[in-house]
Amino acid sequence: EAAVTQSPRNKVAVTGGKVTLSCNQTNNHNNMYWYRQDTGHGLRLIHYSYGAGSTEKGDIPDGYKASRPSQENFSLILELATPSQTSVYFCASGDLNWGGPSAETLYFGSGTRLTVL
Amino acid sequence: QQQVRQSPQSLTVWEGGTTVLTCSYEDSTFNYFPWYQQFPGEGPALLISILSVSDKKEDGRFTTFFNKREKKLSLHIIDSQPGDSATYFCAASPGNTGKLIFGLGTTLQVQP
Repeated sequence: EAAVTQSPRNKVAVTGGKVTLSCNQTNNHNNMYWYRQDTGHGLRLIHYSYGAGSTEKGDIPDGYKASRPSQENFSLILELATPSQTSVYFCASGDLNWGGPSAETLYFGSGTRLTVL
Repeated sequence: QQQVRQSPQSLTVWEGGTTVLTCSYEDSTFNYFPWYQQFPGEGPALLISILSVSDKKEDGRFTTFFNKREKKLSLHIIDSQPGDSATYFCAASPGNTGKLIFGLGTTLQVQP
């Protein structure tokens, strides 16, 4: 069973503080993703990674950094948190199913609800 | 600019009825179209998907249709059940990349 675990489940941070969201996958997938989900915006890609040591910018990377120290772990870092970063964050790992590189199944974690005061 | 447009935003159907969700897109390089289902408090999970070389994919009560000429896709749920109440996202992937672009989602409620 594919497993993606996020921590913490809930987080309250202060404006200007540093926040680290963690994600661990036991699927041995090369690709990992960070999305945020907001009402009216759906799921938007922040950063992604093709493997240990790699990070790439997604569609909304400003204000976020990512780190992929190993195959299993992918972190999202907010160096200076702002109230606009209040959201639900989802991590996902990706497995190529069929049809080539574009046919990837994402396995999502249960999310981290972040509130920045 | 929303690259994948989804409608309706919300929908209520009676148990046993047929649910139809639709999506449209503009980018002709999109060639993979999954539908994800999300229950409250959980992450999205793949429900069904289709490649642009096909026009229909069926999995039990769920069928997705793809119209390449019109750049539209739909999800049909027959015999809808209260357990199907969830938010449904369509998504699209550009060629040669696994990055998915999601629609805004449709919240479905199935009334007993």
